[in-house]
Amino acid sequence: GAGVSQSPSNKVTEKGKDVELRCDPISGHTALYWYRQRLGQGLEFLIYFQGNSAPDKSGLPSDRFSAERTGESVSTLTIQRTQQEDSAVYLCASSLRAYQPQHFGDGTRLSIL
Amino acid sequence: SQQGEEDPQALSIQEGENATMNCSYKTSINNLQWYRQNSGRGLVHLILIRSNEREKHSGRLRVTLDTSKKSSSLLITASRAADTASYFCATGKSNDYKLSFGAGTTVTVRA
Repeated sequence: GAGVSQSPSNKVTEKGKDVELRCDPISGHTALYWYRQRLGQGLEFLIYFQGNSAPDKSGLPSDRFSAERTGESVSTLTIQRTQQEDSAVYLCASSLRAYQPQHFGDGTRLSIL
Repeated sequence: SQQGEEDPQALSIQEGENATMNCSYKTSINNLQWYRQNSGRGLVHLILIRSNEREKHSGRLRVTLDTSKKSSSLLITASRAADTASYFCATGKSNDYKLSFGAGTTVTVRA
């Protein structure tokens, strides 16, 4: 597609459930990022993928969070045993390569009841 | 943690006026980028300025960078209602592909 696509756009789930968020980057972009944005705040880095290199997971807040990417295509961010503090917008971005401007999807708004 | 801090947090101006917002950061950087976020949408890249540059223009946008003061400013000239959005600065370091974002400035342009 022309831009970064994220799904679902909204997700409401009960505390303790697992959720999976999906990101389709721009075709040809080797770098992919996940961020978390709490209401009224800036972006918090979660994880970075670059080609087939090992991902940088240094921003993941706990071991309940994990992410995968197959080659240079789709990525999924999984949150296990969700907690209310996980409520936020999860944004995905891709760039042609590292250090280039990032192109963002519209995010997944996650609400934990 | 957030490296950049925008000032002011919120700004309300009349259409046609200029809007200026500032960003301060703490550590040395390779580049600084400005992004815009409309309500409920993702971020859109506006402009990138490298550490060896002092000023950059793009259409109605003017960005300055003062590395000695560790600060940057974004000026939007002749503002329009469509400029209503949150604006974020993000800093990039030489050996780190991660960007550090500030909390943003919310700009409201009144018609």
